[in-house]
Amino acid sequence: DAKTTQPNSMESNEEEPVHLPCNHSTISGTDYIHWYRQLPSQGPEYVIHGLTSNVNNRMASLAIAEDRKSSTLILHRATLRDAAVYYCILRVLIQGAQKLVFGQGTRLTINP
Amino acid sequence: GAVVSQHPSWVICKSGTSVKIECRSLDFQATTMFWYRQFPKQSLMLMATSNEGSKATYEQGVEKDKFLINHASLTLSTLTVTSAHPEDSSFYICSAPRHHQSYEQYFGPGTRLTVT
Repeated sequence: DAKTTQPNSMESNEEEPVHLPCNHSTISGTDYIHWYRQLPSQGPEYVIHGLTSNVNNRMASLAIAEDRKSSTLILHRATLRDAAVYYCILRVLIQGAQKLVFGQGTRLTINP
Repeated sequence: GAVVSQHPSWVICKSGTSVKIECRSLDFQATTMFWYRQFPKQSLMLMATSNEGSKATYEQGVEKDKFLINHASLTLSTLTVTSAHPEDSSFYICSAPRHHQSYEQYFGPGTRLTVT
């Protein structure tokens, strides 16, 4: 299975930007890069996804390296509610089915 | 956004008994649903893919006779943990894409199973 590597934890301050890195050196040409986040005792929540180009939405921005072997999730102005575990995931096609293969994630702490 | 619910949100059962967890898509039809398991402080592990009208596809290492999956309708998938043991205690989460090729999956709130 395609794998991702993320730092175990990161810390930032409220109202500051946060850059969450992810390495996926074994990514194939058809694998989409997804980011989900999970608050304690809840199911994950979709954040953003992309294939080759950088992406923006109301929650975050996704910067994808030109060789696609790494990406960075950018929270432009972190709030306390952004404290969660952030998962960088490759959406892969396995036996005809689209699957999300979760890595270990980054636990983001936001300081007030 | 789409909503996926799970029932129950938590359950305690005795060792050796079976417990059923329901996953429902509330405002869309899901031909495919996914079941995950998550141990404390760990990531989600995909257990199986539930397909409406056909057999579930299990990930390597997941016992299909122990974790019975039934996708009875386009809005309901159930996971039954049979002959539960304390090591089956975990957080079970389901998810579903709105469409088969949808980029976004909607996750349920999870069910915490404790086997005593």
